[in-house]
Amino acid sequence: DAMVIQNPRYQVTQFGKPVTLSCSQTLNHNVMYWYQQKSSQAPKLLFHYYDKDFNNEADTPDNFQSRRPNTSFCFLDIRSPGLGDAAMYLCATSRGGGPGEQYFGPGTRLTVT
Amino acid sequence: EDKVVQSPLSLVVHEGDTVTLNCSYEVTNFRSLLWYKQEKKAPTFLFMLTSSGIEKKSGRLSSILDKKELFSILNITATQTGDSAVYLCASSGSARQLTFGSGTQLTVLP
Repeated sequence: DAMVIQNPRYQVTQFGKPVTLSCSQTLNHNVMYWYQQKSSQAPKLLFHYYDKDFNNEADTPDNFQSRRPNTSFCFLDIRSPGLGDAAMYLCATSRGGGPGEQYFGPGTRLTVT
Repeated sequence: EDKVVQSPLSLVVHEGDTVTLNCSYEVTNFRSLLWYKQEKKAPTFLFMLTSSGIEKKSGRLSSILDKKELFSILNITATQTGDSAVYLCASSGSARQLTFGSGTQLTVLP
């Protein structure tokens, strides 16, 4: 089945230790998104790629970076995680030019100790 | 700035009740309004609405959009405990990304 896959599902890292979260998709969608969701809050968009075109939200901290080496994969790098970065990180995809439906992966829950 | 507001923030009902969840939006160059259900995991897609007045239905769930008044409702009839979740409303506009509301936490008691 076509899907959005995120690895790992749970990640524990230490304060200040870089961490990379990965997302892959078999939907062949050209748009990929990274969201941060904290407890009892709505998902917050960090950035998205339209094909190779990177779009950063204005309030996304510099600590967060992303790479998209090809259509199928997208990575979220957190260079120096702080305690406030503990959250669920959601990857989503959509067909560019469509009306907006996004397909979400299962998420990676990040804990910072 | 695009904005989506959901109400109520939380709702507790008993099995068999009917619930109505509300979503209002202000979006530049509106394209669609989406509803997602989120349990203890990633959001799962329920409906996408693009046209006013046309009801989308899936089993006990239905949703409708009013583009003139800029709101949507999600109805759930004959609720079951498995309907307990956060229901997220999101709008899609010219910027391609979704703007999410804060969600409605629905709890269905047996």
